[in-house]
Amino acid sequence: AQTVTQSQPEMSVQEAETVTLSCTYDTSESDYYLFWYKQPPSRQMILVIRQEAYKQQNATENRFSVNFQKAAKSFSLKISDSQLGDAAMYFCAYRSASGVSSNMLTFGGGTRLMVKP
Amino acid sequence: NAGVTQTPKFQVLKTGQSMTLQCAQDMNHNSMYWYRQDPGMGLRLIYYSASEGTTDKGEVPNGYNVSRLNKREFSLRLESAAPSQTSVYFCASSEAYRGGEKLFFGSGTQLSVL
Repeated sequence: AQTVTQSQPEMSVQEAETVTLSCTYDTSESDYYLFWYKQPPSRQMILVIRQEAYKQQNATENRFSVNFQKAAKSFSLKISDSQLGDAAMYFCAYRSASGVSSNMLTFGGGTRLMVKP
Repeated sequence: NAGVTQTPKFQVLKTGQSMTLQCAQDMNHNSMYWYRQDPGMGLRLIYYSASEGTTDKGEVPNGYNVSRLNKREFSLRLESAAPSQTSVYFCASSEAYRGGEKLFFGSGTQLSVL
C-alpha cells in the first residue's frame, strides 16, 4: 500500500516571501499522479496542482510550483509571493494511474500554513 | 454553480443512533466518493461509486453503507453510530474514474457521536 508523509505539521511564512512544503511518498509503482490540495477554514478542498509521474517537467500554476524528485519519492510545493489568502491546511495526495489502487487518493496528514502580514 | 452539495453541515448523534448523510452533484459526473477527515490523518476513503449502479469499499468502510441513488446522488449511512465515527465527512465527485481526474469536494459534514 502507498503511504504519503508530510513531516511539517505547521509552517509559517512572511507575506510576499517564499515557502516550501515537503511531501514524501512510498510506492513500488512507476505510473501515478501526485496532487496538492488546499483546505482553507471554509473546509472546502481545492486542487492546487497536479503532477503526472511520467512527466519529468515540474508542474506550475501561477505562484505555485512543485519540485518532483521521482527517484527520491519527493514532491514538495513551493509558494512564491505568499499572500494572506494562502493560509490554509495543505494536503499532499497520491493516486495510482491504474489498477485497484487507482480507486482512491491517499492523503498525507497535512501541513498548516500560516501567513504573517 | 452549486457543484457538490452535502447535508447536513453539522450533526450530533448519540451512540447507537442512525443517520444518513446526503450528497448531490450537478456536474453530471460519473464517479462519487465519501471520505472522512481526522486530525493528523488527512482524508481516508470510505466508499466510492465509479459509475451509477456500482459501489465499492475504500480504505475504511466498516460501520458504513452507501447508496448511489442515481447519477446525481450518493448517500452515506451510519446504521449504529459509534464515538470512533466522530469526524468530518466529505463527499466528492469526478468526471471519470481515472487516476488523474480532478476531484470536486463538498464543504463537509462535521459529525459528533457522543
